Amino acid sequence: DTEVTQTPKHLVMGMTNKKSLKCEQHMGHRAMYWYKQKAKKPPELMFVYSYEKLSINESVPSRFSPECPNSSLLNLHLHALQPEDSALYLCASSQGADRAYGYTFGSGTRLTVV
Amino acid sequence: GDSVTQMEGPVTLSEEAFLTINCTYTATGYPSLFWYVQYPGEGLQLLLKATKADDKGSNKGFEATYRKETTSFHLEKGSVQVSDSAVYFCALVEPGTYKYIFGTGTRLKVLA
Repeated sequence: DTEVTQTPKHLVMGMTNKKSLKCEQHMGHRAMYWYKQKAKKPPELMFVYSYEKLSINESVPSRFSPECPNSSLLNLHLHALQPEDSALYLCASSQGADRAYGYTFGSGTRLTVV
Repeated sequence: GDSVTQMEGPVTLSEEAFLTINCTYTATGYPSLFWYVQYPGEGLQLLLKATKADDKGSNKGFEATYRKETTSFHLEKGSVQVSDSAVYFCALVEPGTYKYIFGTGTRLKVLA
């Protein structure tokens, strides 16, 4: 298995809703990431988990709450989002921080906040 | 701080044309360099990488050489196909860090 699987692929939510994005990998990667990508822009790092511990939070608003229940799963809990949070949310994993490794990205969840 | 600069797009080519997408970088250390490709509606896929000076990464007919003297990592392909139409991102990562620095992306359109 060489994939990162993200669900759902599309999500529409109201500003008062609570929803979660899910990411799963079975490659034994020990680092997992959440990125946000706006249209025609590069991905922006949000969070990094290393060995299931949060190691980087790029000053992300608290309405985004990450969770890493185990080494294969990464969730992003969403609450009270704003329309400007609409974007493609990408999950990625890597074997570690070793610079020789690239990321394996999922296909993303396209989020629309109404 | 570290940065990656890519040529502005879109780049429009005819099928079988030669492709070059320029990428230059600024880094304090000795980064690893990557090219990622993003097809419409999808996530990013690692296309190729190089971890030290003079390394050449290659995959699917694409090549890029890590040039420390010119701080460049230009992407090339000898003969593009319509299926190569996508957005290409150059990126670097410093050793021991998790944070990728991405360029702004270059959209490639290949016409039949």
